[in-house]
Amino acid sequence: EDKVVQSPLSLVVHEGDTVTLNCSYEVTNFRSLLWYKQEKKAPTFLFMLTSSGIEKKSGRLSSILDKKELFSILNITATQTGDSAVYLCAVASVSNFGNEKLTFGTGTRLTIIP
Amino acid sequence: DTGVSQNPRHKITKRGQNVTFRCDPISEHNRLYWYRQTLGQGPEFLTYFQNEAQLEKSRLLSDRFSAERPKGSFSTLEIQRTEQGDSAMYLCASSPSGTTANYGYTFGSGTRLTVV
Repeated sequence: EDKVVQSPLSLVVHEGDTVTLNCSYEVTNFRSLLWYKQEKKAPTFLFMLTSSGIEKKSGRLSSILDKKELFSILNITATQTGDSAVYLCAVASVSNFGNEKLTFGTGTRLTIIP
Repeated sequence: DTGVSQNPRHKITKRGQNVTFRCDPISEHNRLYWYRQTLGQGPEFLTYFQNEAQLEKSRLLSDRFSAERPKGSFSTLEIQRTEQGDSAMYLCASSPSGTTANYGYTFGSGTRLTVV
């Protein structure tokens, strides 16, 4: 069964700090790894990673994938209170029926203290 | 197009009642997914449609659950004889086929179900 594990489960830091969120996975037929930010409602897409070692950046957020060691990290620099959310890691894989689906981790709850 | 739309946003029902949720995906997306998310957990896959065909169902989807996507547009998820364990957020997501590589899946805001 496909498995995605995120750590830490929760993190509390002060505004301006840098944080690193971790995601490890065990899936068959890996296709891509995705990061989402979830506040009170729908997860919103952050990054999709398909190749090892290529960093994706968007403002203060960046992410990288290691397909050999089966993990990804999400970095947030100069954190702001608006970064407080649950960050979800998901892996897209092809099921035994040939369909793509997402398997999510439980998320990391990030709280930024002003 | 304003994204993936789900209705209702909240539903409170008594145990044993039937409920139906609706999802309107982004119009050009032919893939549609239903996920369930309980408190403190990540979303769990329930079922997948490509156009109007339901191609895969999770073992989480008991026989009390049924989903449809007539004409390959909107989808409905029905839960019959609801139980307290069905209380969760039900999320719908859509994506275009073949190009999820760049934009991932777009999620709706979800329907929060509370069974009392």
